Amino acid sequence: DIVMTQSPDSLAVSLGERATINCKSSQTVLYTSNNNNYLAWYQQKPGQPPKLLIYWASTRESGVPDRFSGSGSGTDFTLTISSLQAEDVAVYYCQQYYITPPTFGQGTKVEIK
Amino acid sequence: EVQLVESGGGLIQPGGSLRLSCAASGFTVSSNYMSWVRQAPGKGLEWVSIIHSGGSTYYADSVKGRFTISRDHSKNTLYLQMNSLRTEDTAVYYCARGGVDAALAFAFDYWGQGTLVTVSS
Repeated sequence: DIVMTQSPDSLAVSLGERATINCKSSQTVLYTSNNNNYLAWYQQKPGQPPKLLIYWASTRESGVPDRFSGSGSGTDFTLTISSLQAEDVAVYYCQQYYITPPTFGQGTKVEIK
Repeated sequence: EVQLVESGGGLIQPGGSLRLSCAASGFTVSSNYMSWVRQAPGKGLEWVSIIHSGGSTYYADSVKGRFTISRDHSKNTLYLQMNSLRTEDTAVYYCARGGVDAALAFAFDYWGQGTLVTVSS
């Protein structure tokens, strides 16, 4: 199985400031035949199911605010919230869907400083 | 509007069986790749099983041989039959929709609210 490791486990950011979450996979999730990274990001607020934010490592899901962006390739990826809003308080997960079983990172909790 | 509504969770003794249901609306279950994903209390996300639009099924090693995923086209409903339940199966179980295209089978764009399964004596 591909192991997904996120850092940090938690972070506190002031409103309006940038939040950055890192995700590293134990092997590449880049499929060279189509040059796509099989990497998604989810947001989970307390008591709610996860919500898809980004897929193909950098493609924003419809309706997701443009302050959320994804980057990276191969084994190293980043989710950036450019200007943290109060409603962004949540746990964020990266997930690879390159091979079965799909696997998730352990989650990063984002709070307001 | 796409909706997924799970039901069937509850308290069950170790070794028991339970069947979860996920009623879908706004799309056709058999047209998409559909998965079950679980989350133990206070823990992260774990994929459990998938049924392909073509009918093929796959399972996490932790549930293989004990759980069975299926669907009913006429009811537009996804199921998870869980047998030989263990305490470590305690979790909120979500049904999740993957893409129509195989490349996005495991990119889950819609999730249900989840149903809690508690395995305890």
